[in-house]
Amino acid sequence: GENVEQHPSTLSVQEGDSAVIKCTYSDSASNYFPWYKQELGKRPQLIIDIRSNVGEKKDQRIAVTLNKTAKHFSLHITETQPEDSAVYFCADCFGNEKLTFGTGTRLTIIP
Amino acid sequence: DSGVTQTPKHLITATGQRVTLRCSPRSGDLSVYWYQQSLDQGLQFLIQYYNGEERAKGNILERFSAQQFPDLHSELNLSSLELGDSALYFCASSPLAAPYNEQFFGPGTRLTVL
Repeated sequence: GENVEQHPSTLSVQEGDSAVIKCTYSDSASNYFPWYKQELGKRPQLIIDIRSNVGEKKDQRIAVTLNKTAKHFSLHITETQPEDSAVYFCADCFGNEKLTFGTGTRLTIIP
Repeated sequence: DSGVTQTPKHLITATGQRVTLRCSPRSGDLSVYWYQQSLDQGLQFLIQYYNGEERAKGNILERFSAQQFPDLHSELNLSSLELGDSALYFCASSPLAAPYNEQFFGPGTRLTVL
């Protein structure tokens, strides 16, 4: 859709703790919600995505939940490690047109 | 390495000038997307080409244009450059037309307009 809000903009967590990043979208017809990770000086890479016909998806320490009624989706990282430090971007896809990205969350894992 | 290549890596130019950024998609990918990433900003979608044809347009300025060639590489042309055009420009590719599939990003071209 046209507007994706992402919070928080920065997040610091102790190594081993969990991190949660939340995004809110505006178009109820949005049907695809990817999360990209961008390490410092590197390219964005897809880490997990979810489609509108499911409520949750997990991949090892990473999970994404989708609440279509409230129009928000969240990234959950458990047992955080130093290599999880990066900027994380959510996005949504409205119809068949394009991805709209959030403004990013800078996650810092404190050893 | 995603398999997507972009040249040049860095570009420094002056206001009012014109530059061309080049992108080669992964082998077999028919879609190419262009994004602009300014300091402390997210990824702004500019334009998508699929198999040589423009498929979707984002917030691309009229001073910017793009094309995709028969060998599927793409070029982004930026003209009458302004200071505010300084940014990291990424291209991404995917096999299909629809954007709801994984996009593979290139390493980016850092443009500095002085």
